[in-house]
This record gives sequence, C-alpha cells and structure tokens, in this order.
Amino acid sequence: EVKLVESGGGLVQPGGSLRLSCAASGFTFRTYNMNWVRQAPGKGLEWVSSISPTSSRIFYSDSVKGRFTVSRDDAQESLFLQMNSLRAEDTAVYYCARDSDVGYCRGSDCYSLALDLWGQGTMVSVS
Amino acid sequence: EIVLTQSPATLSLSPGETATLSCRASQSVGSYLAWYQQKPGQAPRLLIYDASNRASGIPARFSGSGAGTDFTLTISDLEPEDFAVYSCHQRSIWPFTFGPGTKVDAK
Repeated sequence: EVKLVESGGGLVQPGGSLRLSCAASGFTFRTYNMNWVRQAPGKGLEWVSSISPTSSRIFYSDSVKGRFTVSRDDAQESLFLQMNSLRAEDTAVYYCARDSDVGYCRGSDCYSLALDLWGQGTMVSVS
Repeated sequence: EIVLTQSPATLSLSPGETATLSCRASQSVGSYLAWYQQKPGQAPRLLIYDASNRASGIPARFSGSGAGTDFTLTISDLEPEDFAVYSCHQRSIWPFTFGPGTKVDAK
C-alpha cells in the first residue's frame, strides 16, 4: 500500500523544539520531491517546506525560515522536520505530502503539478 | 506571493444538485492549478491538476476549468460523500500557495 505516516507531534511551550517524522512506504521514496504542509485550526492549508531527491534543493516559507529544518533519509524512506523556536502561530496539523510525478519545466527548472499523496497529519500545539 | 481567493466561502446544496466553486489568483498562474477535497479529520485528497485533469480514481462528476487567473471546479450530481471543503492550489510561482477553501454542505 502506498502511504505516508507522520509522527512526532505534541504539546510544546513557546520557544521549544519538536521533530516530526514521516515514514513512506509503497513507492520509490528516493525519487520524489517531498513537502511539509500545515493547517492551523479552522484555517486553510499552508505550504511549509520542500526537499528534492538527494536534498539538493530545499525551500522554506518565510514564516518558518531560520527556525525549521527539513531533511530526509532515503535509506529509511523517511522525511523529517526539525522545528525550533516554536511560536503559538505554529500550532497546526502538519502533513507530509508527495509531489506528483506529472509536471512541467520552465527553462531548466521543473515542478510537479500537484501534491498527490498525503499523510494523515500530526498535531503540533504550542502553548 | 500569489494570493488565491475562493468563493463562495460556503455553498449549501442538496444531493443531485451541481456545485460551482470559484478560485481566483492575484496574478496569472497559467494552467498550473490543482484542486483538493478535504473532509473533517482527514488529509486533503487530490481531485484535479493542471486546471482540468482528473487525478487517478476521481469520478467524472468532478471537472475543472479555467486558465490565467480564473478557475472553476464543478461537481455535477452531488453525492452525499461530496460534502466537504475544497481548496485550490497554485503550482506556478514559489511559494506555491493554497486558497482558503470553500465548504460544500448539505442544505
């Protein structure tokens, strides 16, 4: 079965740290761009971070840049998000999501057209 | 950053009716727009990519259209399981942003 399973969420005080994990199975993890997307209670989805195969390209949203670090272990087929200096506004369900393998290229850069596989999410509460 | 605006915020319909949802981008995203369905307590599910292409396993009653800044998701002949929140997502310009969602609920 193709799936993503997040873990590591919980309650943490402002200024604290948390490390989220996402275990992938059923597909060739090492070939996919992976993402973290979050959703604050009652709010819309917000992209947080992306990491390419071999970790050659990493991106962060401005709201987490300098505080969060994304990484991957292709041998363990796992994605991670190290979250430091947590704030109340980081409270959200955090999803890991896979880029689709259908995409387009603009010049030398290529992008997928959607996030086609999502985990069930893990809740992070900062209070 | 591209801002996606969705309307209406809530759509109250009965099974069998047609839902028409709108997503407007603050600047052109070409055709690089996706739609997701999300039910309470569940992860988003990809419905449509590249404005009009149905994802694998998505019923034909879901259709997408549009280009540039204006996009539409149409759900024909609503089934009970279609009552959910629908979000659009642009994949044209970093950072890739999401709309706030439209809730389709039962009248």
